[in-house]
Amino acid sequence: AQRVTQPEKLLSVFKGAPVELKCNYSYSGSPELFWYVQYSRQRLQLLLRHISRESIKGFTADLNKGETSFHLKKPFAQEEDSAMYYCALSIMKTSYDKVIFGPGTSLSVIP
Amino acid sequence: DGGITQSPKYLFRKEGQNVTLSCEQNLNHDAMYWYRQDPGQGLRLIYYSQIVNDFQKGDIAEGYSVSREKKESFPLTVTSAQKNPTAFYLCASSIQGSGEQYFGPGTRLTVT
Repeated sequence: AQRVTQPEKLLSVFKGAPVELKCNYSYSGSPELFWYVQYSRQRLQLLLRHISRESIKGFTADLNKGETSFHLKKPFAQEEDSAMYYCALSIMKTSYDKVIFGPGTSLSVIP
Repeated sequence: DGGITQSPKYLFRKEGQNVTLSCEQNLNHDAMYWYRQDPGQGLRLIYYSQIVNDFQKGDIAEGYSVSREKKESFPLTVTSAQKNPTAFYLCASSIQGSGEQYFGPGTRLTVT
């Protein structure tokens, strides 16, 4: 069965410290993975997707098919990074795009 | 301000009453989705629709109903049959095949 796990419900780091939000998935096919972010009082929005291989707001994420992971990393955390982060797996079906979300990790950056 | 809108932002209902949540989009997206967001559980899919006049059950459809009479609109009705309706509800839309979803601001429903 397809599944996305995020082992940390809460993660606190100091400003300027590196941050890594973990994500693991289970899917037998070719995965398409995303990170979504929800800042306080804002709507859920896409942060980055693995196929674009770009850095957004200093965040990067590398797909590791061997470890079935898609961890989100940033070398120096900023206070404005405090938010809820969701890892998501997209499966293109013939009928619709099924997206499976992880349970989310709440990141708190301490000044 | 374009995009996807949901109304109302907060909704209060008495147990036993049906309630309808609105979702509208002007992105010309074919696919629309309803999710329920509960703390520690992520987003769970309630219903989805890929085209007008067609919709399918998601993972937790029991106690909910939807309609898709127009491309722009995908209202969700929470019926009295839903055992635990108090939650935050998110509507989303996407371009079919893109994998990326665009979300509305959400509606927080409280049933007492």
